[in-house]
Amino acid sequence: GAGVSQSPRYKVAKRGQDVALRCDPISGHVSLFWYQQALGQGPEFLTYFQNEAQLDKSGLPSDRFFAERPEGSVSTLKIQRTQQEDSAVYLCASSLAGDQQYFGPGTRLTVT
Amino acid sequence: AQSVTQLGSHVSVSEGALVLLRCNYSSSVPPYLFWYVQYPNQGLQLLLKYTSAATLVKGINGFEAEFKKSETSFHLTKPSAHMSDAAEYFCAVSPPSGNTPLVFGKGTRLSVIA
Repeated sequence: GAGVSQSPRYKVAKRGQDVALRCDPISGHVSLFWYQQALGQGPEFLTYFQNEAQLDKSGLPSDRFFAERPEGSVSTLKIQRTQQEDSAVYLCASSLAGDQQYFGPGTRLTVT
Repeated sequence: AQSVTQLGSHVSVSEGALVLLRCNYSSSVPPYLFWYVQYPNQGLQLLLKYTSAATLVKGINGFEAEFKKSETSFHLTKPSAHMSDAAEYFCAVSPPSGNTPLVFGKGTRLSVIA
């Protein structure tokens, strides 16, 4: 079936704007993860859902970052009042219970 | 806490030569270990994973890795490099329970010279 999809693929925001990044996981996948990948770095964990429950948000860098998965499928990562340091690729991954994580292509956010 | 160290941010090999990408981990519990590959402007693709079964793990595209507990290592190898192997490679670790966040290394960029 289809893999993990993310939209938009590229987003340019002016500093101070709010952005919303969408992740469509593989159908039936219970778990969903968000990672942030800065240029030249490995991905870093942001937050994790099991169905609609947000089980871990310890990686969110500030209270400007907010994630939701209201119906246990599609997830949205929202960043309020974007700053230049928020520029990165945001990766979404989904998995069945205990299975490997399948990654989407990412959203490249550039804050100008 | 778990962590991963990838030695060498950039490795360059000739086509047909051995590929060796190094990964050392730190974990207070027996970990799960993974190697992912990332091509430009794409997401991460799983190459192989160690989940406490056989210590020598074979993956896709001819890659394999060996879990060495005594050395806390999980190095990635391929006997003969192809041009198509040029990409960014990431080693990752997680607790042995699945469905937990991955902790990634900083990555190693592999270049293959014709």
